[in-house]
Amino acid sequence: NAGVTQTPKFQVLKTGQSMTLQCAQDMNHNSMYWYRQDPGMGLRLIYYSASEGTTDKGEVPNGYNVSRLNKREFSLRLESAAPSQTSVYFCASSPGTGGWGNQPQHFGDGTRLSIL
Amino acid sequence: ILNVEQSPQSLHVQEGDSTNFTCSFPSSNFYALHWYRWETAKSPEALFVMTLNGDEKKKGRISATLNTKEGYSYLYIKGSQPEDSATYLCAFIRREYGNKLVFGAGTILRVKS
Repeated sequence: NAGVTQTPKFQVLKTGQSMTLQCAQDMNHNSMYWYRQDPGMGLRLIYYSASEGTTDKGEVPNGYNVSRLNKREFSLRLESAAPSQTSVYFCASSPGTGGWGNQPQHFGDGTRLSIL
Repeated sequence: ILNVEQSPQSLHVQEGDSTNFTCSFPSSNFYALHWYRWETAKSPEALFVMTLNGDEKKKGRISATLNTKEGYSYLYIKGSQPEDSATYLCAFIRREYGNKLVFGAGTILRVKS
């Protein structure tokens, strides 16, 4: 039972480089999310996808883009990485579409990203 | 963005102690309150989702209560064990925010044997 799978687990980038973080879930969930986690702060929502074919901004979307490739996959792209984007990134999924906040989210193991 | 406050920031207890911590959130237009447990080097794992004022949920030695009118939830751990050591996150949703969770910074619990 894989659940939510994130790749890669670790990555070091230089300022200005681009990269895509991959996320896939095998639970047939409709909604998927990208969060970042910084020391002393809660998980902050970057982007989310309430259902296949839709994406929307969260609290901290600047510098990121997302693609909901299909129901299973939701990728996060950094077009021109900056040191302020050094963080741990988590992907999550939940069963419902928008408005189903009474269902728990399932998280991947995270991607630790360092930007030099 | 609305703030979710968790207290205390960290807690060190002895094995066998019972403990509790607080999650405070804006009470207007409440929709749901989530609790997650996050062990070091693992991913956050859902404990409870609570939606009704006065709700009380229990999972083994862990229980939670919810007061939506005053905007707080308590998480209780009875007879703490070293394996309870983790960060406990709460997150809340307002009606107009759909499925978008706003997380607190967490309470770090360390249980010494």
